[in-house]
Amino acid sequence: SQKIEQNSEALNIQEGKTATLTCNYTNYSPAYLQWYRQDPGRGPVFLLLIRENEKEKRKERLKVTFDTTLKQSLFHITASQPADSATYLCALGNNKLIFGAGTRLAVHP
Amino acid sequence: ETGVTQTPRHLVMGMTNKKSLKCEQHLGHNAMYWYKQSAKKPLELMFVYNFKEQTENNSVPSRFSPECPNSSHLFLHLHTLQPEDSALYLCASSQDWLVGGNQPQHFGDGTRLSIL
Repeated sequence: SQKIEQNSEALNIQEGKTATLTCNYTNYSPAYLQWYRQDPGRGPVFLLLIRENEKEKRKERLKVTFDTTLKQSLFHITASQPADSATYLCALGNNKLIFGAGTRLAVHP
Repeated sequence: ETGVTQTPRHLVMGMTNKKSLKCEQHLGHNAMYWYKQSAKKPLELMFVYNFKEQTENNSVPSRFSPECPNSSHLFLHLHTLQPEDSALYLCASSQDWLVGGNQPQHFGDGTRLSIL
């Protein structure tokens, strides 16, 4: 069956460093991959979408890569800030989206 | 403000109660979704409606009954729930279902449901 893996352990980094989150998947060939941010008590908020024929997508301090050979996406936040602390979800799909369980990021001053 | 509003934000109910969750989107989207989010688990897609027609039912127990009277409103009717149904129920919308993976989904802030 389709499986999406995100690091279940929280990622703790120092302010100003680059945070890198990983999303791996198996038994699936999605055409699209999306990343969302979710804060406690709130719904997920869309951040970036990348297509299978795109290697990399950037938006301000965010960068996403999509390697369909490795079946992996990396999500980078450069010059991280405490306000970036949240849970980040990856989602893959063609029509419907399948979500990972998310990785919690904590950026410390 | 995400453009998707869910009410109530919190709901506590007994196993024999009947209640409904409401979702309204102001984005002009044609597809609406119900998801269940339990602690430490991925979002589980429950139902999808596209142009008011149900296009997906992910083997959801019949004690959950969705209703979509128009493209802007979505309801989830609850009846005889079990304790394991306690979770955050999220509503989302997107422009269209057919290429849903190619579009962002806009989520409400959810209803936190507790079954006693």
